[in-house]
Amino acid sequence: SQQGEEDPQALSIQEGENATMNCSYKTSINNLQWYRQNSGRGLVHLILIRSNEREKHSGRLRVTLDTSKKSSSLLITASRAADTASYFCATDSGNTGFQKLVFGTGTRLLVSP
Amino acid sequence: DAGITQSPRHKVTETGTPVTLRCHQTENHRYMYWYRQDPGHGLRLIHYSYGVKDTDKGEVSDGYSVSRSKTEDFLLTLESATSSQTSVYFCATLPPGALTDTQYFGPGTRLTVL
Repeated sequence: SQQGEEDPQALSIQEGENATMNCSYKTSINNLQWYRQNSGRGLVHLILIRSNEREKHSGRLRVTLDTSKKSSSLLITASRAADTASYFCATDSGNTGFQKLVFGTGTRLLVSP
Repeated sequence: DAGITQSPRHKVTETGTPVTLRCHQTENHRYMYWYRQDPGHGLRLIHYSYGVKDTDKGEVSDGYSVSRSKTEDFLLTLESATSSQTSVYFCATLPPGALTDTQYFGPGTRLTVL
């Protein structure tokens, strides 16, 4: 399995600070996605970055991808209490003809007011 | 949430009993997935479907079977539940022709096997 590993497992910050979480994976990929999960809820897609992209932005989110190091990072700027959630990276190797994601173990983010 | 519902949302059952979880979608998405989520493991793929009556195994398929007789419904069955199958189960869908699109997740079913 090419399950991703996320770092840190847990992160606690104050509102207004930036939060950075990292994801490493094991094999070549077609794309990498980040999802958010609020407590007791399903996952919600945040952003997708393709293997030929190095950086992508969406609102307060910035994702980078380094395929040579098989790693990605998610930066949330100016965090808010509502950003409190678990964040998962997921990779798709893209070699099966359709999408099959392998998820990381997640980072639990706590943003305090 | 792309019109995905899961039923039941919570279930407690005993070891050895059969259990069926249902995923229903209203978006006519071709691809559907069942995952389980356990602490320390993230989400792991159990089974997936790429069309009506077309299903295949994922990473952790032992002890599970699936069926898809209609586009909108994807059933996950535990033939004889075990305590190791206590988990939160998520269904997801993917629009057709979407190799680089995103999956849409249901709200989850919390299953406890005593």
